[in-house]
This record gives sequence, structure tokens and C-alpha cells, in this order.
Amino acid sequence: DAGVTQSPTHLIKTRGQQVTLRCSPKSGHDTVSWYQQALGQGPQFIFQYYEEEERQRGNFPDRFSGHQFPNYSSELNVNALLLGDSALYLCASSLQTVGVTDTQYFGPGTRLTVL
Amino acid sequence: DAKTTQPNSMESNEEEPVHLPCNHSTISGTDYIHWYRQLPSQGPEYVIHGLTSNVNNRMASLAIAEDRKSSTLILHRATLRDAAVYYCILRDWDSGYALNFGKGTSLLVT
Repeated sequence: DAGVTQSPTHLIKTRGQQVTLRCSPKSGHDTVSWYQQALGQGPQFIFQYYEEEERQRGNFPDRFSGHQFPNYSSELNVNALLLGDSALYLCASSLQTVGVTDTQYFGPGTRLTVL
Repeated sequence: DAKTTQPNSMESNEEEPVHLPCNHSTISGTDYIHWYRQLPSQGPEYVIHGLTSNVNNRMASLAIAEDRKSSTLILHRATLRDAAVYYCILRDWDSGYALNFGKGTSLLVT
């Protein structure tokens, strides 16, 4: 049973560019969340997608946007990249039906470096 | 959101039990206590969660104080593979679906 997969593993961009990160959830999961983890910090919640809609958003600017596809996979898009966007981007999947006690399964992350 | 306080780091010897504390003095009656850990170069992984009663699973035990203002994650026999950052997280319907990670406790096992 494949777990959460993310691509690419690493990415280098320059300031002002745009980036798209991809996530495939664990088999059977219908909900995808995205987190940003700066070096030495805990992950910060960006947003969560369920039924192809963004249903909760953290404290991130509109430059961060996402999409969920009918097969439950998801993309995270970041526009107008800033140096401060350099971080590990983590995707997590879960089952909507469980609610606040759900277990979120994390992928290995995509390391984004902005030069 | 109710906040948690954890020590920045702890050290343990292999094969010995480890008690990782978490203070959450402003916890509400509907807050669940979750623990996740993050091994080096990996995404976080779920460890355990509870509401009021102590909980056990194959990975660890969670001991919750009677007043729920603190909790302790117990690893019964630490191994080198348990070296990770451990996060104590409170969740309720107000916080919604997000996991609000703090800085966690970095556990060194030698």
C-alpha cells in the first residue's frame, strides 16, 4: 500500500518565479492538507482540500493556492516566489469522515530553495 | 487556540523508558491531545492521541493528568530509531482540521 507521495523531491527557483508541487494521497484517503516547514521550525498549516474545495486556510497570503483533482491528488502553487518561501513543503492525507481526531499521514516533502 | 509547552530537547539512553512532558494549562474540555513525531529527513508521523483517559498503542503510551493541564508521552524502551522531534498538539472543532505544530522536543537517544 503506497503511502503519501510528493514530487519533486527538490526544487530550485529564483525570486519572482512560480512553482507547482504535487501530492498523491494514501490509498483510500479523500482529504489533503499542505504544510510549510522552515528550517528548525515545526510545520505550519497552509490549507486543506476536500471534495475539490479549499475548506480551511492558515495564515498564508494569496500567493499560495491549491487544487484538488477528482482522484484526490493535489497541487500547491506558489506565485511570485520570495526568498522566505524556501522551506520543506509537506503534504498530508486523511479521511474526512473521522473529523478532529483524524490521523494525518505525511509525505516526505518537497524541499524548495528560492535564490 | 490553546497552546502547548514542551522542553526544547531531551536525552535518553537506549533500552530505557523515556517520558516526554507537555504542558497545556489552557486546554478546553473538548481539546484532544495528539502526539506526532518527525524523524530526520522525513515527514511527521502520528504517534498517539487521547481525550481524558490514558491510552496505549504499539508505539507508545499517553498519560493524561487528572486536570488535563499536562500530559506525558511514554516510550517504554527507547531505541536509536526513536530519535526524533516529538510534537504535542491540541485539536478541537474550533481549530478545525489543521495540526498546529509548535517547536516540539528534540529527543536524542544514545
